[in-house]
Amino acid sequence: GNSVTQMEGPVTLSEEAFLTINCTYTATGYPSLFWYVQYPGEGLQLLLKATKADDKGSNKGFEATYRKETTSFHLEKGSVQVSDSAVYFCALRGSGNTGKLIFGQGTTLQVKP
Amino acid sequence: GAGVSQSPRYKVAKRGQDVALRCDPISGHVSLFWYQQALGQGPEFLTYFQNEAQLDKSGLPSDRFFAERPEGSVSTLKIQRTQQEDSAVYLCASSKTETVTNEKLFFGSGTQLSVL
Repeated sequence: GNSVTQMEGPVTLSEEAFLTINCTYTATGYPSLFWYVQYPGEGLQLLLKATKADDKGSNKGFEATYRKETTSFHLEKGSVQVSDSAVYFCALRGSGNTGKLIFGQGTTLQVKP
Repeated sequence: GAGVSQSPRYKVAKRGQDVALRCDPISGHVSLFWYQQALGQGPEFLTYFQNEAQLDKSGLPSDRFFAERPEGSVSTLKIQRTQQEDSAVYLCASSKTETVTNEKLFFGSGTQLSVL
C-alpha cells in the first residue's frame, strides 16, 4: 500500500541556517505530494504541493521537488526563522481514489535565535 | 464560517463511555474528512463524506466508530464504549468540491480525546 517516511526529529537549527527535511514515499501510479505544517495550537495548513514528476512546489521560502526516480519530496529552506518552528508533515494522495491523504509521522523543527 | 470548527476542543471520557465529536466545515464545502492523530504520529484517515454520502469508511478502526453528516454540512464522529487506545486527536478537514485529487484541504484544530 501507499506510505510516507520522514526523517525523525526533532531538528534544532539556529536562525538563518539551511533546512532539509527528508521525505520518501511508496505508491502505485502517480500520486500527488504535499507538505503540511502545524504551528503550535493551530490546525494543519497546506505549505506546498506538487502533482507530477519534476514539479517544484514552493511557498514562504520553502521548496520541494517531486523526484520520481528516487521517490522523494524533500523539504528545503535556505534561511530559517524562529517563526518557522512547527511540526512538518509530508503526505501523498494516490491517483484515482477518494482524495484521502497518507501522512508521514511528522518532523518537529525548532529554530533558536 | 471563517474556518473548520471542531468541538469540544478537549474531551475526557471514562473507559466504556460513548462520546460524540462535532465538526463544522467551511460553509458550502462539499467534501469532509475525519482523521485520527495519535501522539507523535501523523494523521490517519478514518472516513470521507461527499455532501451527506459517506463514500469511504475504510479507515474506521472498529464498529465502535460511526460518523454521519445527515444534511451535508455538520458532521459528528461517534465512538461507542471508548477504550484507552482511542485516545488521540481527532481532526476534521473540508474541501470545496467533490474533485478532491489536487484540492486544498482545510483542517480544524482538532478534538483531543483522553480515555481514562
